[in-house]
Amino acid sequence: QQPVQSPQAVILREGEDAVINCSSSKALYSVHWYRQKHGEAPVFLMILLKGGEQKGHEKISASFNEKKQQSSLYLTASQLSYSGTYFCGVKGSQGGKLIFGQGTELSVKP
Amino acid sequence: GAVVSQHPSWVICKSGTSVKIECRSLDFQATTMFWYRQFPKQSLMLMATSNEGSKATYEQGVEKDKFLINHASLTLSTLTVTSAHPEDSSFYICSATGTSGRSYNEQFFGPGTRLTVL
Repeated sequence: QQPVQSPQAVILREGEDAVINCSSSKALYSVHWYRQKHGEAPVFLMILLKGGEQKGHEKISASFNEKKQQSSLYLTASQLSYSGTYFCGVKGSQGGKLIFGQGTELSVKP
Repeated sequence: GAVVSQHPSWVICKSGTSVKIECRSLDFQATTMFWYRQFPKQSLMLMATSNEGSKATYEQGVEKDKFLINHASLTLSTLTVTSAHPEDSSFYICSATGTSGRSYNEQFFGPGTRLTVL
């Protein structure tokens, strides 16, 4: 079952922060975050495994609440290069299939 | 490490012809490969999952006789779109997982193939 992302779209000014949420109705083994630019394949950002961890990569970090079956992606001090569509993908088990949310379109303006 | 390539990167064909897309894992053994399709401004929709040496498992609504998947080796999977029609025009992306290291949990994506059927 497809996870639900929110918001569907967000517009930011350079330097502003944003949070993208991903929610599943089923128990999760892992959450994967990707960014996709128009016409290109998705680019891997990070993976979070069950255990309620939080990860960070420069100014982009994410959390995974296993009990709530939710993950959030945090973008701080956004840059123009952050623009794109962000997808969360979820797996119910280690060897399971990765099912993507509907995406969140992020636009960062100067 | 963990690079997945796809060929061709784009293809234009006439309605009724068949098109083969290759997906290769370049530096790891891909025990499982996945094929996704993405229409403009939509999410990636899983079409099928294939394990090396086994028949592919198709998602509901995906015609297995139209989208032939072969995963003959641990580094190569192919998707053949048979008797392609304009509605099959889409962005097809493969991904792969392995059995060790990063490939154990992560899923590595190819660059995608844009299919246009005239």
